[in-house]
Amino acid sequence: DTAVSQTPKYLVTQMGNDKSIKCEQNLGHDTMYWYKQDSKKFLKIMFSYNNKELIINETVPNRFSPKSPDKAHLNLHINSLELGDSAVYFCASSPGLARTDTQYFGPGTRLTVL
Amino acid sequence: GQNIDQPTEMTATEGAIVQINCTYQTSGFNGLFWYQQHAGEAPTFLSYNVLDGLEEKGRFSSFLSRSKGYSYLLLKELQMKDSASYLCAVRALGNQGGKLIFGQGTELSVKP
Repeated sequence: DTAVSQTPKYLVTQMGNDKSIKCEQNLGHDTMYWYKQDSKKFLKIMFSYNNKELIINETVPNRFSPKSPDKAHLNLHINSLELGDSAVYFCASSPGLARTDTQYFGPGTRLTVL
Repeated sequence: GQNIDQPTEMTATEGAIVQINCTYQTSGFNGLFWYQQHAGEAPTFLSYNVLDGLEEKGRFSSFLSRSKGYSYLLLKELQMKDSASYLCAVRALGNQGGKLIFGQGTELSVKP
């Protein structure tokens, strides 16, 4: 039933480790996104894929690497984790890039780097 | 630059009406969205405006004035479950891949 799902929901890890977050949508959408929400609640776009092609890559450290194996999946791999990476990461999807297309968010992954 | 401003916090009483304002200055405009986010949960879509005027959806309405760079979300007959953060977001122009630029959100507390 879940439209946009993410795993894991919580991730606690040590500085310097490498970790991945997975996202899947069953809405048949063409476009997927990764957002980061910091402790001040600002939700900021990181990446966007349309039909498996990267179309947005905001000023994000290259330790962050997204991968879209197919239109329904968008994963986020983070190398050499730092304290400042602690945040909630949300995946989202939309039908496409039309201006009326609404983005639907997954439940979020709370990453804590110790 | 891109700037979206909302009040940080608001308090209102159950049964009342509350208006949450949002002003924006962005390099392009392709529509404005309002999302609701309960603590520890995902943002959920409330409304979308791209033309000037009021859009009504049950207890929630949203207004847009593009010339003033201004929107508001109106919540009527407030209920306790409306206590949440309300996020205003502007959609960038087409070649930026549907990017949404979010304000910091307005934390609304509804009191009995």
